[in-house]
Amino acid sequence: GESVGLHLPTLSVQEGDNSIINCAYSNSASDYFIWYKQESGKGPQFIIDIRSNMDKRQGQRVTVLLNKTVKHLSLQIAATQPGDSAVYFCAVTNTGNQFYFGTGTSLTVIP
Amino acid sequence: KAGVTQTPRYLIKTRGQQVTLSCSPISGHRSVSWYQQTPGQGLQFLFEYFSETQRNKGNFPGRFSGRQFSNSRSEMNVSTLELGDSALYLCASSSWQGGNSPLHFGNGTRLTVT
Repeated sequence: GESVGLHLPTLSVQEGDNSIINCAYSNSASDYFIWYKQESGKGPQFIIDIRSNMDKRQGQRVTVLLNKTVKHLSLQIAATQPGDSAVYFCAVTNTGNQFYFGTGTSLTVIP
Repeated sequence: KAGVTQTPRYLIKTRGQQVTLSCSPISGHRSVSWYQQTPGQGLQFLFEYFSETQRNKGNFPGRFSGRQFSNSRSEMNVSTLELGDSALYLCASSSWQGGNSPLHFGNGTRLTVT
């Protein structure tokens, strides 16, 4: 199995600051990791993914860092905007078709 | 490309009844997964189908079942509903064919059991 946890259930940041959301997983065989954003009344929306053969991947204003040694994953959002306010989940798998999700971090951006 | 479509968006049922939820995946996606989302437990895996075959099943009682049709559309059924089944049920599709592909979620069906 797999156990996935997030370090902070809530996070508040000032608009324009950078946000960092963390996630820890337990299974060293996990090899694919995804960050999702969920807004109220909607399903989780794909943000960025990373495979275990990488330790960093960048998207538009987002960066995912993977530390397999300590089984830790983080999502960095640059220049956080009010539209980034949502709940963020990490998802982890070692089978490709069954994912384990963290409990989510609720990000609030203060204008 | 149209996203994952789930119907209905909201359902209210009484204990003991049964319910069927429907999911249409993204065109071309043959893998469909179902997840239950509750405030206390987060997202919990129910099952995953690929080409009409259930490949994986989570730790839910047999009251939870599903199926997939030849056009990749999927349904899940919950029989003998209990109050604790109240949740957001999310369907996700994927282009998974042996490698790693992200899940693409619908907006869910909100089930309330009274």
